[in-house]
Amino acid sequence: NAGVTQTPKFRVLKTGQSMTLLCAQDMNHEYMYWYRQDPGMGLRLIHYSVGEGTTAKGEVPDGYNVSRLKKQNFLLGLESAAPSQTSVYFCASSPIGVGYTFGSGTRLTVV
Amino acid sequence: KQEVTQIPAALSVPEGENLVLNCSFTDSAIYNLQWFRQDPGKGLTSLLLIQSSQREQTSGRLNASLDKSSGRSTLYIAASQPGDSATYLCAVPMYSGGGADGLTFGKGTHLIIQP
Repeated sequence: NAGVTQTPKFRVLKTGQSMTLLCAQDMNHEYMYWYRQDPGMGLRLIHYSVGEGTTAKGEVPDGYNVSRLKKQNFLLGLESAAPSQTSVYFCASSPIGVGYTFGSGTRLTVV
Repeated sequence: KQEVTQIPAALSVPEGENLVLNCSFTDSAIYNLQWFRQDPGKGLTSLLLIQSSQREQTSGRLNASLDKSSGRSTLYIAASQPGDSATYLCAVPMYSGGGADGLTFGKGTHLIIQP
């Protein structure tokens, strides 16, 4: 019963580099979400998906792209990392928009 | 769009005390409200989900209440223990609806229970 698994757990990037964060869930949930958590700002929604092949923008989508090619996976991409993207990133999934399960997070530092 | 406020931002109490954490939200047209717990360096764990038709939910020593008309929820923790030390987050659907479009979170109450 893995739930929601995020990889990697930690990463340091240089400004301008790209990377992809992977979120995988094994609960057959339809909905998946990417949040970022910053001190003093709380959790903010980046992008979300209401089903395989769909994506939508959240509160703070700029600088990020996402893809949901398979129901169980939700990828978050940073094309050209900036120091402002230093944060802890959380993935979550939900069967019907309630009853969220969160991953343990990815701590990203952009230098 | 919802805004969620949690008071107090931090709380430190001796073990054994009963305590109340507060959450307020700006749009009362919510379908549900959720309370989460976050331990340092970890993800969020769902504690309680209250549907809009309910006034409260209980799980063990935790009791959450919801007053939609006043835009408030409280999380009551009975007989607090050091293991209850964590950050507690309140969340409501971002837009009018059930939460499929995401949740709006408060900034949390950082709780320390002194042994």
